[in-house]
Amino acid sequence: QKEVEQNSGPLSVPEGAIASLNCTYSDRGSQSFFWYRQYSGKSPELIMFIYSNGDKEDGRFTAQLNKASQYVSLLIRDSQPSDSATYLCAVGSGGSARQLTFGSGTQLTVLP
Amino acid sequence: DADVTQTPRNRITKTGKRIMLECSQTKGHDRMYWYRQDPGLGLRLIYYSFDVKDINKGEISDGYSVSRQAQAKFSLSLESAIPNQTALYFCATSRPDRGGREQFFGPGTRLTVL
Repeated sequence: QKEVEQNSGPLSVPEGAIASLNCTYSDRGSQSFFWYRQYSGKSPELIMFIYSNGDKEDGRFTAQLNKASQYVSLLIRDSQPSDSATYLCAVGSGGSARQLTFGSGTQLTVLP
Repeated sequence: DADVTQTPRNRITKTGKRIMLECSQTKGHDRMYWYRQDPGLGLRLIYYSFDVKDINKGEISDGYSVSRQAQAKFSLSLESAIPNQTALYFCATSRPDRGGREQFFGPGTRLTVL
């Protein structure tokens, strides 16, 4: 059984701070890693993906991957109240990421 | 205008009833998925389809069936609904040429089984 673990939170950070979200996964054969953001009552939307070890930056978001430790993280710099949402980690397995396994999500609140 | 639509958006039904949830997409994607979301459990894959003739079970397919009527339509059926199928159901699509890496989600259907 493939597992993706996230701290459920809630995680609270002040506006302007760095929010750090973490995820571990059990399947060593996993090849693709995604972060989705889900606002309350809405559907998930992709914000970052990463395939290779190291860091990947996109605006205020940085995804970090360490396959040896089976660990992926998301950093949000200069956090804004509009970043308040649940962040879902998803891990792809099989050729062309046939399936995604999602974590249960971390609820982030950015305090003004 | 939404690219992935789901009908109905909300449904309350009784135990033992047959229910169909429908998903349509105008994105032209070959791959379609059905997930359910429960509080504290994240998204779990029920079924997925990579084309009209390709249907695959996901992690939690028991009690569900699907039909891929066309590239753009993928329906989920609960033959005899039970209360623990109360959940938020999402349909999603993706493109094979992008390695399936981005899945686009519909707005969701909130199903309550009494």
